[in-house]
Amino acid sequence: DADVTQTPRNRITKTGKRIMLECSQTKGHDRMYWYRQDPGLGLRLIYYSFDVKDINKGEISDGYSVSRQAQAKFSLSLESAIPNQTALYFCATSDPGGEAKDTQYFGPGTRLTVL
Amino acid sequence: RKEVEQDPGPFNVPEGATVAFNCTYSNSASQSFFWYRQDCRKEPKLLMSVYSSGNEDGRFTAQLNRASQYISLLIRDSKLSDSATYLCVVYHPNTGKLIFGQGTTLQVKP
Repeated sequence: DADVTQTPRNRITKTGKRIMLECSQTKGHDRMYWYRQDPGLGLRLIYYSFDVKDINKGEISDGYSVSRQAQAKFSLSLESAIPNQTALYFCATSDPGGEAKDTQYFGPGTRLTVL
Repeated sequence: RKEVEQDPGPFNVPEGATVAFNCTYSNSASQSFFWYRQDCRKEPKLLMSVYSSGNEDGRFTAQLNRASQYISLLIRDSKLSDSATYLCVVYHPNTGKLIFGQGTTLQVKP
């Protein structure tokens, strides 16, 4: 079984709809992250959380919100989706104290299309 | 200036060739460096970590030059299966965040 899972894997929605992307991990890591990837722009950080009570904005948090329901779960919400939020979204986890310190492990991604 | 810069390519090389990618970073406080591999529409996966001056793993060699603030990745004896995008990634100890380059695309041809 995959250590980091994301649901849904693909989603097509309309402008103005509320969307939630979910991420779960079985790695036991405290740190979790949400990124989006657009062609030619690389990965950009949306939000990150260093533990259940910690939420931080990344470089492109406008239009997004997150919830850290438990150590293993980190959800990303688009309250009112717009077409320029069409992208590939990745969740990641890391353990700064582990042997592979600072390494991030990614989920398989969610491809979101906003029409 | 971007914090992490890579030549996007694409690099088109024949099987068996040696190819090198360079990456520059702007924050001199960066301590940890990584190369990730990303196949089309898939998640990035760690290829190599670079914590000191360099690292070698089979056909892959990563080198770090802190004075010039660049990291390189050398791939020897290229295989068709090496075709992918290679992401240069830098860790910022003050923020605990990774900064990603936009990636360099490699296409190995028979």
